[in-house]
Amino acid sequence: DGGITQSPKYLFRKEGQNVTLSCEQNLNHDAMYWYRQDPGQGLRLIYYSQIVNDFQKGDIAEGYSVSREKKESFPLTVTSAQKNPTAFYLCASSIEGNTQYFGPGTRLTVL
Amino acid sequence: GENVEQHPSTLSVQEGDSAVIKCTYSDSASNYFPWYKQELGKRPQLIIDIRSNVGEKKDQRIAVTLNKTAKHFSLHITETQPEDSAVYFCAASRRGGYQKVTFGIGTKLQVIP
Repeated sequence: DGGITQSPKYLFRKEGQNVTLSCEQNLNHDAMYWYRQDPGQGLRLIYYSQIVNDFQKGDIAEGYSVSREKKESFPLTVTSAQKNPTAFYLCASSIEGNTQYFGPGTRLTVL
Repeated sequence: GENVEQHPSTLSVQEGDSAVIKCTYSDSASNYFPWYKQELGKRPQLIIDIRSNVGEKKDQRIAVTLNKTAKHFSLHITETQPEDSAVYFCAASRRGGYQKVTFGIGTKLQVIP
């Protein structure tokens, strides 16, 4: 777990702003994932990437965008099109075999 | 797609008692079932997982059972301790390559000293 970092820990966004959440891993994992966590709703998949320069939409991709230019990095941008972005965002990575290792999370609040 | 249902959503037990959390899944092709523990404000961490070729797996006070016919699996914690208090998530996915993992909504377990 210590090989996955997210920053910042807390982030505040004004209405209409785009913000980018950072996720870095040094575990040499091919796959990376972004989840959103809301109370009582578990973990919902936003985007995932299996290899560099490729990614797929998850279950709630609207209003979000990602890039995967490097194996180690998978930043998530929360755009102004995301109408209710206040949530806890978790990044994860995995090797083949599905066990996911999570980062410490970023708590995003809309002001 | 896969749908994972988890219950109960909250569970309170006395210290030393057992706790059981149950999950059902919909995709008959799912064959990997991990369980994660998330303490307040922290990241989820894998505590145990089971693959479809076995029916039960134990690790000290934690065990997981799988019934593929009924498409359900359960987490059993024996001799619960206050440090077991957390939110527990079950999940399901197909094995092979990098598959999507579908999570249940979580169970908040409170162990009362």
